Amino acid sequence: QVQLVQSGAEVKKPGASVKVSCKASGYTFISYYMYWVRQAPGQGLEWMGVINASGGNTRYAQRFQGRVTMTRDTSTSTVYMELSSLRSEDTAVYYCARAYTTAIDYWGQGTLVTVSS
Amino acid sequence: QSALTQPASVSGSPGQSITISCTGTSSDVGGNNYVSWYQQHPGKAPKLMIYDVSNRPSGVSNRFSGSKSGNTASLTISGLQAEDEADYYCSSYTSSSTTFGTGTKVTFL
Repeated sequence: QVQLVQSGAEVKKPGASVKVSCKASGYTFISYYMYWVRQAPGQGLEWMGVINASGGNTRYAQRFQGRVTMTRDTSTSTVYMELSSLRSEDTAVYYCARAYTTAIDYWGQGTLVTVSS
Repeated sequence: QSALTQPASVSGSPGQSITISCTGTSSDVGGNNYVSWYQQHPGKAPKLMIYDVSNRPSGVSNRFSGSKSGNTASLTISGLQAEDEADYYCSSYTSSSTTFGTGTKVTFL
């Protein structure tokens, strides 16, 4: 069965960077794109960007351009999302999620990133 | 890209039907047939309920249906059940980005 297992919760200081991993299993990794979506406490979903697991090409939401980097390692079927220059407003649960045509069919369990001095 | 507009909450009685709207623009919702709907229970990851406006993934109850008219998409839940109490989000896909709705909390009257 398809599984997306994310790394554990992180606590970071303002200005630092965080790198969240997402290990995929149960399907052919390079056949799908992977999204990153975040959700601040009590707030809605926010699309951050997408990575092609095969070619590694990426597309980022405009508001994260310059601060986010998505990469993948095909040898371990893992995608990564790094967010830099963290501020308190970046406190959120970060999800990796598999793209299915124009939607998302599988989600990771989420990784809570807390930004606090 | 601004979030798509959804009502903050919709209420219904068990067994009733409710409809959640999702309003965008001609650049997103109105520009193609790539609207999806997600259900999210507290503390859980979202679950895909509808994709490409009206298609149901395998395993999703046929009580859930989707439609679209112009720049507004809709999710209808018929025969409301206890487990349907949750937050619902629409999303619109384009070749450049994906935009989510503001979210709607469904509760029982």
